[in-house]
Amino acid sequence: GAVVSQHPSRVICKSGTSVKIECRSLDFQATTMFWYRQFPKQSLMLMATSNEGSKATYEQGVEKDKFLINHASLTLSTLTVTSAHPEDSSFYICSAAGLESSYEQYFGPGTRLTVT
Amino acid sequence: RKEVEQDPGPFNVPEGATVAFNCTYSNSASQSFFWYRQDCRKEPKLLMSVYSSGNEDGRFTAQLNRASQYISLLIRDSKLSDSATYLCVVKAGRRALTFGSGTRLQVQP
Repeated sequence: GAVVSQHPSRVICKSGTSVKIECRSLDFQATTMFWYRQFPKQSLMLMATSNEGSKATYEQGVEKDKFLINHASLTLSTLTVTSAHPEDSSFYICSAAGLESSYEQYFGPGTRLTVT
Repeated sequence: RKEVEQDPGPFNVPEGATVAFNCTYSNSASQSFFWYRQDCRKEPKLLMSVYSSGNEDGRFTAQLNRASQYISLLIRDSKLSDSATYLCVVKAGRRALTFGSGTRLQVQP
């Protein structure tokens, strides 16, 4: 299957700082990328959908000014958690869908964020 | 009401047992259905798609009842390596995947 990478895999930061997470599709062009968040023992919750070259669409309750998403190329989307707080500590996972496989999504390995 | 509902478990079963998981979904526009497996602290991985006619992949059998908006997964001859959380997932058109909260399975020796 297609490969999606995420970086970093784990990050610890201090409250008030910003953290950038990268999601890359390594062997296909991802027209759409999805960002999910998963708290312990809970389901993956969709945060936003980003299409290459356009603004992301955020789910209800997700602050777009706090979670900045950029999908500047067909192989890279970034999620920046601005002014992180301890309650933002979570497992962030991206997935990517390409043109030819619009119904199939490939997941990155996830980024575990801990805000102290 | 959650869009995809699953019994959280845990299901504790001995090796070799048969175990079944159920799931219901509320969006009647859902068109694609999947079971994913997620190991602790890892990303979800696609286990199998689910078709109306029912489908089987080795020890795993998935069923879909569109009228009842109900999906099931049957695992036969459970292995220790089957221990994981099983996520019921639905998709409507080009929308993102919608995940259930998962059912935890622990297979014991």
